[in-house]
Amino acid sequence: GAVVSQHPSRVICKSGTSVKIECRSLDFQATTMFWYRQFPKQSLMLMATSNEGSKATYEQGVEKDKFLINHASLTLSTLTVTSAHPEDSSFYICSARGRVRGYTFGSGTRLTVV
Amino acid sequence: GENVEQHPSTLSVQEGDSAVIKCTYSDSASNYFPWYKQELGKRPQLIIDIRSNVGEKKDQRIAVTLNKTAKHFSLHITETQPEDSAVYFCASSSLNDMRFGAGTRLTVKP
Repeated sequence: GAVVSQHPSRVICKSGTSVKIECRSLDFQATTMFWYRQFPKQSLMLMATSNEGSKATYEQGVEKDKFLINHASLTLSTLTVTSAHPEDSSFYICSARGRVRGYTFGSGTRLTVV
Repeated sequence: GENVEQHPSTLSVQEGDSAVIKCTYSDSASNYFPWYKQELGKRPQLIIDIRSNVGEKKDQRIAVTLNKTAKHFSLHITETQPEDSAVYFCASSSLNDMRFGAGTRLTVKP
């Protein structure tokens, strides 16, 4: 079946630094990538949607200059959390959609900003 | 963005009873409605889905119904077992996004 590899699974960083999260579709072409954030005991909140080769569309309230999304190829999308703060600590997860309808989630990244 | 409402937030049933979780959506463009089960700190696991051209779908003890006119869809779990205890999320998808309900914590008591 379709597989999306997400790295890192866990990361601890200092306030003010940047963290890059990668999602790779291993056996299919991800034409669209969705990025979600999930706080403890809450739902997955859509942050942005990106289509290969074009700029991401951000949800209201999500700062595009803080959460940089790149979807330069059909198999790789990245989310960079810039100038991270403790309130950015969360579970970040991607979901890839290919040409044949279906969504495949990455395994998630637990970000802790200290 | 468009919202997905999910109820109840918590649900406790006795083993063997049925459990029903309901969701409503607002985006008329939504045409795909998956249900996910999520363990703490892990990716959501797809348990069943339904597309807008179908009113009902069943897979063993799990069924989903869709009322497109009313923009309602529901998850039905029959003969519940303790291992069904988890957080369940509904989602509504259109061409441009997939949004989740707030989740339901289901507890099945032995």
